[in-house]
Amino acid sequence: GQQVMQIPQYQHVQEGEDFTTYCNSSTTLSNIQWYKQRPGGHPVFLIQLVKSGEVKKQKRLTFQFGEAKKNSSLHITATQTTDVGTYFCAGGAQKLVFGQGTRLTINP
Amino acid sequence: GAVVSQHPSWVICKSGTSVKIECRSLDFQATTMFWYRQFPKQSLMLMATSNEGSKATYEQGVEKDKFLINHASLTLSTLTVTSAHPEDSSFYICSASTPGAGYTFGSGTRLTVV
Repeated sequence: GQQVMQIPQYQHVQEGEDFTTYCNSSTTLSNIQWYKQRPGGHPVFLIQLVKSGEVKKQKRLTFQFGEAKKNSSLHITATQTTDVGTYFCAGGAQKLVFGQGTRLTINP
Repeated sequence: GAVVSQHPSWVICKSGTSVKIECRSLDFQATTMFWYRQFPKQSLMLMATSNEGSKATYEQGVEKDKFLINHASLTLSTLTVTSAHPEDSSFYICSASTPGAGYTFGSGTRLTVV
């Protein structure tokens, strides 16, 4: 079945440093979604990418969807302590398959 | 925005008892809802797809007789963990698709079986 791989599993940065998480699918995706889960919380939808090569920005967050629609990335510029959490990518047409997530911790 | 309400947020039960978890879409209709299970520091694993008015679709390896799903209306899906055992202790989360806004998740239910 479809698999979504995400790296790195963990990332610790100093506040103000940039952060990137990468997502790769074993199959071509119709769309990819990104979620953030704070410690103890539930996943919250961030964005959905649909088009090949698409790039979307949300303030300090930049999301990319690969040309082949099999990979994606989330980049955070100048991290802040509020960015702490686990970031998941997820893909799939009828049902979402989640990546393993990247847990971001920040040293203030 | 869309809201999915999930109750209870946590529950402790004795081994061998059953626990029901409810998931409601508050301001939209959800013909399909999804149930996930999440172990500490791990990803979300899809357990089953709940379909309003028909049988749920279970993922491979998920026991349908143990995790009973009922989707009796367009706004309510329930997951019942039957004859719970300590290994069933986990974080259970429901979600529903909201057009243009990805999937909206409930706040989750932390189940502890003692």
